[in-house]
Amino acid sequence: DTGVSQDPRHKITKRGQNVTFRCDPISEHNRLYWYRQTLGQGPEFLTYFQNEAQLEKSRLLSDRFSAERPKGSFSTLEIQRTEQGDSAMYLCASSVGTSGYNEQFFGPGTRLTVL
Amino acid sequence: GQQVMQIPQYQHVQEGEDFTTYCNSSTTLSNIQWYKQRPGGHPVFLIQLVKSGEVKKQKRLTFQFGEAKKNSSLHITATQTTDVGTYFCAGHNNTGNQFYFGTGTSLTVIP
Repeated sequence: DTGVSQDPRHKITKRGQNVTFRCDPISEHNRLYWYRQTLGQGPEFLTYFQNEAQLEKSRLLSDRFSAERPKGSFSTLEIQRTEQGDSAMYLCASSVGTSGYNEQFFGPGTRLTVL
Repeated sequence: GQQVMQIPQYQHVQEGEDFTTYCNSSTTLSNIQWYKQRPGGHPVFLIQLVKSGEVKKQKRLTFQFGEAKKNSSLHITATQTTDVGTYFCAGHNNTGNQFYFGTGTSLTVIP
């Protein structure tokens, strides 16, 4: 257990529905990252926050995806109008400091299945 | 776009044999981190390299960052069954805003 928690651990939804995931990072970690990982692939960067500011968003991320970190603590990732191609493990990670040159601690992930 | 490739994709070794995975980026990286992911688990940080040509060791593991900061390697000496998992390299691009994971090398150790 790294101290990063994610909720829910599993989500099954029907195509076209909206889903929201939550990530609670390690307390006082400034940076929070979201990744998507499909079977046999490496984690794919989606976005990251420095405190409450969203500083970068992958060009691969469609407009159906949005993330927030309103108070610089927990974060949410919402996917609107889900598609079957959104099925994946969604990983959250946090790190201390502001440079990004620090160890990332990953949560257990939320596995999304879109039927 | 930025690509970080690793070879081999899969490696099966007898326990006690050595193992090496190679990481190659299409562009210069500002740093390299290595992570290990056990089956069904999440990535766990192993080490970070920042300087060109840097070499670091952790017990049986040796990590190297290339002179051009576009490639890296992880070498495990005398593998053990506990080394089983997928090894990922990862690094920031030069602007430091995006973090790219490699394609991973899945290691199987046969007892």
